[in-house]
Amino acid sequence: DVKVTQSSRYLVKRTGEKVFLECVQDMDHENMFWYRQDPGLGLRLIYFSYDVKMKEKGDIPEGYSVSREKKERFSLILESASTNQTSMYLCASRRSPINEKLFFGSGTQLSVL
Amino acid sequence: AQSVTQLGSHVSVSEGALVLLRCNYSSSVPPYLFWYVQYPNQGLQLLLKYTSAATLVKGINGFEAEFKKSETSFHLTKPSAHMSDAAEYFCAVSYGGATNKLIFGTGTLLAVQP
Repeated sequence: DVKVTQSSRYLVKRTGEKVFLECVQDMDHENMFWYRQDPGLGLRLIYFSYDVKMKEKGDIPEGYSVSREKKERFSLILESASTNQTSMYLCASRRSPINEKLFFGSGTQLSVL
Repeated sequence: AQSVTQLGSHVSVSEGALVLLRCNYSSSVPPYLFWYVQYPNQGLQLLLKYTSAATLVKGINGFEAEFKKSETSFHLTKPSAHMSDAAEYFCAVSYGGATNKLIFGTGTLLAVQP
């Protein structure tokens, strides 16, 4: 069965900490995505990667960076966590054509105190 | 700017009633359109997608959606709601091109009353 695995379901961090959110997919997908989900705002794209070592900024990249050294793994990095980054973070992957569906992980609820 | 609009952040229906969730997109270029569903404490999963093969698209769990170019709409319907349909529903659009990204609407939370 297809799987997108996010390393943590819940995470609590302090303001100013460097935070790593990890995502691994086992489907050999080219494209991977990081979204954040906030009530009333839907899903907003932070970054996406269309292949290994390739990345593109999404709609809200400020305060975030990403790393994709291997095809199966896509990491989201909060360089210096702030309270306004408290959110649900969703990772997704898909095969390359744009009409292919996204497979989502179950999400990481990050709280920054 | 390219966007997708979902009218109604909360919709409540009775069990057995028609479900209608609205989605409109902004583009003169035919897009790829998707509906995703998110059950409580889960990630999103695909309900159905439109890729220009047919204007009426059937998805899982009895849902369907009709692409209407003249109205730039892709509304989701189900003839008879079930308690298990209670979830949040997201419309999404992809336009291709170099950015190749998927834009999501703000979501509609569907409640089903017994």
